Order: sequence, then structure tokens, then C-alpha cells
Amino acid sequence: DIQMTQSPSSLSASVGDRVTITCRASQSISSYLNWYQQKPGKAPKLLIYAASSLQSGVPSRFSGSGSGTDFTLTISSLQPEDFATYYCQQSYSTSYSFGQGTKLEIK
Amino acid sequence: QVQLQESGPGLVKPSQTLSLTCTVSGGSISSGGYYWSWIRQHPGKGLEWIGYIYYSGSTYYNPSLKSRVTISVDTSKNQFSLKLSSVTAADTAVYYCAREVQQPDAFDIWGQGTMVTVSS
Repeated sequence: DIQMTQSPSSLSASVGDRVTITCRASQSISSYLNWYQQKPGKAPKLLIYAASSLQSGVPSRFSGSGSGTDFTLTISSLQPEDFATYYCQQSYSTSYSFGQGTKLEIK
Repeated sequence: QVQLQESGPGLVKPSQTLSLTCTVSGGSISSGGYYWSWIRQHPGKGLEWIGYIYYSGSTYYNPSLKSRVTISVDTSKNQFSLKLSSVTAADTAVYYCAREVQQPDAFDIWGQGTMVTVSS
């Protein structure tokens, strides 16, 4: 099984800040890495697929990078609606797995 | 646009079988290029992929749940279903159905989720 580890597990930031979340895979997954945003009581929402491709309708302040084992999600300028939990997910192995999540809170 | 909606009992007794259905609207489950998945989230925890089905009926399950999981599809009703047998309190979770786009294998559309509690 491929293990996905996110850091940090939680993060406090202010509106307007630039924020980076990291995801590390236990083995190389090429660019088979997706990012989701989840708000309380809601289903996850796809933000980034294939490590760096922006899902349709997602604001351009979200970006993703990386390949192999190390990936990052960056929010260039935090907006109030961005405070949520973020998950990475590998699709390299069909036994898909998610990171444990990063909770982004208002400072 | 395509929407997914889960339905099924919110309370299941231990040792029984959990059964949920996902109804797809706004599009055909038989259109190629998509897998139809079940994903769960334990209270306050992360996400766990359970398995998927293709409209043809081919399936793939999470090895950790494989012995207890069955996913089936009914193309005439535009639905797919999950059965999880021999449930315990550890199966208490919010269950989501989701559409996975082949290449890049990402979950682009999700149902709203349904909470299932395992308790006597």
C-alpha cells in the first residue's frame, strides 16, 4: 500500500497570506496526485488533478506542483472561503489512498 | 450537470449488512470514461476509498475491505450500490459515492454523503 503523509496537520493563517501544504508519498507515484478541499459537513471538492492541473471552476490562486514522492498545494492569497481541510490522494496505485488531511484555520 | 445522491438506512445492527445506493442524475452511468466509487469518512477522520465499479460491472476493491465488500451496478436505473457485510462499530462513518474520471483518475463529482451508524 502507498502511504500518503501531509504536513502540517493543521495550520493557522490570515486572509491574504500565502500558504503551502505538503504531501509525501511512501513511494514514487509520478504525477498521480490529486488535491481536495473539504468544508465541515460537506463532501470533498476536487481542486487539483495530476499534481498541477487546475480543475475547472477552481480559482487560480490554487496551484499544485511536484512529482515522484513530494508534492505541494499552494494558495497564493488566502480568502475567507479557503478555510477548510485539504486532502491529497494518490491514484498511481488502484488501491487509492488519501493523506490524513491539513486543517487550515483562521489566525 | 451530473449529480450523485446516496440513499439507505442510517442505522445498521452489528454483524448485519450495510446497504447503500447511489443514484446518478443528469448523465448516464453507462457513458464510458468513468469509474463509480464508494468512499467513507469516519467521524472526525480522513477519507478511505472502498472500491469502484465500471458500468460493465468490473470492480476493484480496497484490499483491506475486499472480503466484506460488494459493489454492483444497475444501468437501467442509473444506480450503483454498496454492500458491506459483518459490520461493526468501526464501520460507522459518512459514506460518499463519487465519480472518478479515468485519466487522471480523480474524483470530480461527489454525493452529499450519508451517515451510517452501526449500533444495536
